[in-house]
Amino acid sequence: DIVMTQSPDSLAVSLGERATINCKSSQNILYRSNNKNFLAWYQQKPGQPPKLLIYWASTRESGVPDRFSGSGSGTDFTLTISSLQAEDVALYFCQQYYTTPRTFGQGTKVAIK
Amino acid sequence: QVQLHESGPGLVKPSQTLSLTCTVSGVSITSGHYYWSWIRQHPGKSLEWIGHIYYTGGTDYNPSLKSRVFISGDASKNQFSLKLTSVTAADTAVYYCARDYGRLGYFDDWGQGTLVTVSS
Repeated sequence: DIVMTQSPDSLAVSLGERATINCKSSQNILYRSNNKNFLAWYQQKPGQPPKLLIYWASTRESGVPDRFSGSGSGTDFTLTISSLQAEDVALYFCQQYYTTPRTFGQGTKVAIK
Repeated sequence: QVQLHESGPGLVKPSQTLSLTCTVSGVSITSGHYYWSWIRQHPGKSLEWIGHIYYTGGTDYNPSLKSRVFISGDASKNQFSLKLTSVTAADTAVYYCARDYGRLGYFDDWGQGTLVTVSS
């Protein structure tokens, strides 16, 4: 299985400041024939299911605010919240879909400082 | 608007079979664009993909659970179901059904989830 490792486990950021979450895969998840990274990011608020934010490592899902952005390639990826809002307090997961079984990172908790 | 809703017993005894159903509205499960997945989340932990089904009836399962899992579909009711046999306390989790954007894809719509506790 591909192991997804996120860092940090938690972070606290002031309102309006940048939040950065890292995700590292144990194997390359860039499919060279189409130059796509098979990585997604999800946001989960307490008592709710995960919500898709980003897919193909950098494509924002419809309706997701543009303060959320994804970057990276190969094995190293980043989710950035450019200006943290109160409603962004949540757990964030990365997920690879390069191979089965699909696997998720352990999650990063984002809080307000 | 796509909606998924899980249903089934919230309490299952050890060694018995966990059975859940996901009812889908807003899209047909026979649409060839999607697979239909089950995913679980242990309390306070990350997410684990259990398996999925395609409209042809084809399935893929997580090897870690493969010997105990069976996923089936009912096109007439627009539902798909999960059976997990020989459960233990380690199977206590919130179980989600989700729409799967392809055989190797991301999950773009989720049910609200249902907590299943394994206890005598």
